[in-house]
Formats: sequence, C-alpha cells, structure tokens
Amino acid sequence: AQKVTQAQTEISVVEKEDVTLDCVYETRDTTYYLFWYKQPPSGELVFLIRRNSFDEQNEISGRYSWNFQKSTSSFNFTITASQVVDSAVYFCALSDADMDTGRRALTFGSGTRLQVQP
Amino acid sequence: KAGVTQTPRYLIKTRGQQVTLSCSPISGHRSVSWYQQTPGQGLQFLFEYFSETQRNKGNFPGRFSGRQFSNSRSEMNVSTLELGDSALYLCASSHEQGARADTQYFGPGTRLTVL
Repeated sequence: AQKVTQAQTEISVVEKEDVTLDCVYETRDTTYYLFWYKQPPSGELVFLIRRNSFDEQNEISGRYSWNFQKSTSSFNFTITASQVVDSAVYFCALSDADMDTGRRALTFGSGTRLQVQP
Repeated sequence: KAGVTQTPRYLIKTRGQQVTLSCSPISGHRSVSWYQQTPGQGLQFLFEYFSETQRNKGNFPGRFSGRQFSNSRSEMNVSTLELGDSALYLCASSHEQGARADTQYFGPGTRLTVL
C-alpha cells in the first residue's frame, strides 16, 4: 500500500540555520509523483514542488532545495538560511495509482512542524 | 487567476445535524478532491470528482457524500454529524483527470466544529 513517512514531528531552529525535512515513501507503482506542500497557520496548503519518478535530478529554488533518491525512496527538503516566515507545517505527498483499482489518489505524510526562532 | 475558494470558512454544528460545504475550483480545472484533516488522523482523502462523476473514494462512511456540478463546482455533505467529524475540510482542484502529473491546488479549508 502507498505510504509516506515523515519521521520528524517537530523541528526547531534559529533563524539563518539550514534545516532538512525528511520524507520516505512506499509504492508499488513504477510511475508516481512526489510533492511538498507548506501549511502556514492560516490552514491553506501551499504547493511547493512536484517531481516524477523518472526524474531524479535535484532541484533548487531560491533557499529551497529537494533531494530525490529512488534507491532509498526518499524525497528530502532543505531550507537554507531559514527565516521566521518559514515557520509552518510541511507535508510530503505521493500520487500514484492503486495496483488493484488503478485509481489515483494523493497520500500525505503526517507532516513536520518547523519553528524558526528569531 | 483566482485560487480555490471554499465556503463557509467556519461552521459550528451540533451532533445529529447535517452540513454542506462548498468548493469552487480554479477556473479551467475539472477535477475536485476533498480531504479531511484532523490532529489525530492527519490529512485523509475523502473523494475525487471529475465531470460530475465520483472517480475515487477514500475510506469514509456513507455519511460523507459529495457531488460536482457542470461548472466543476463541488459540494460535500456530511449527515448525522458526530463529534469526530470536527476537522478542517480541504478542497483541491487540478486541471485534468488521469494525468498523473496533476498538481492539486488547495483552498483555505472549512473548519467544522461539532458540539
């Protein structure tokens, strides 16, 4: 069955520190997509990035970077020089097709709460 | 382009009542999905609609239902509310069903409190 594990429940850092959020996934599908979303206190899930299973190239967007490794089924997210505005809950998610029904759904990890102290 | 909108933003109901939540997707998006978020269970998939048809359904009791209209707007209904239904209900829209690359864009959610 599809599963996404975010082992870090909560992380607290001081502003300007680098921080890495871990994500490990399980799927039987060979074609799948991985996502990261940010949920600030307002509640809305904000899309950050999408990667497909055939593209293991790492990606950098400003202070954000993502490391996708199929060999370890991981899709980790690093924030460089963290800022107070980065404080939020971050969710990793997997989109794949159920092997029995063929239906696609988005499976979320339990989230990592990041607190950036000034 | 306007984002996903959900109404109402907050709702207080009592046990046994029913509730209807509304979602308007991003213009041009034809797929709408609903999720329930609770502190204990996290984010859980409820159902997905495309072209007024339910395409996929999560593991929720029949008290949870939904529908989609011809303009892609969607509603979800919860009947005979229970205390455990208190949650943030999130709606997400994506452009096209079936394309696995679909990115789901979320609305601000409706926070339902059942007393």
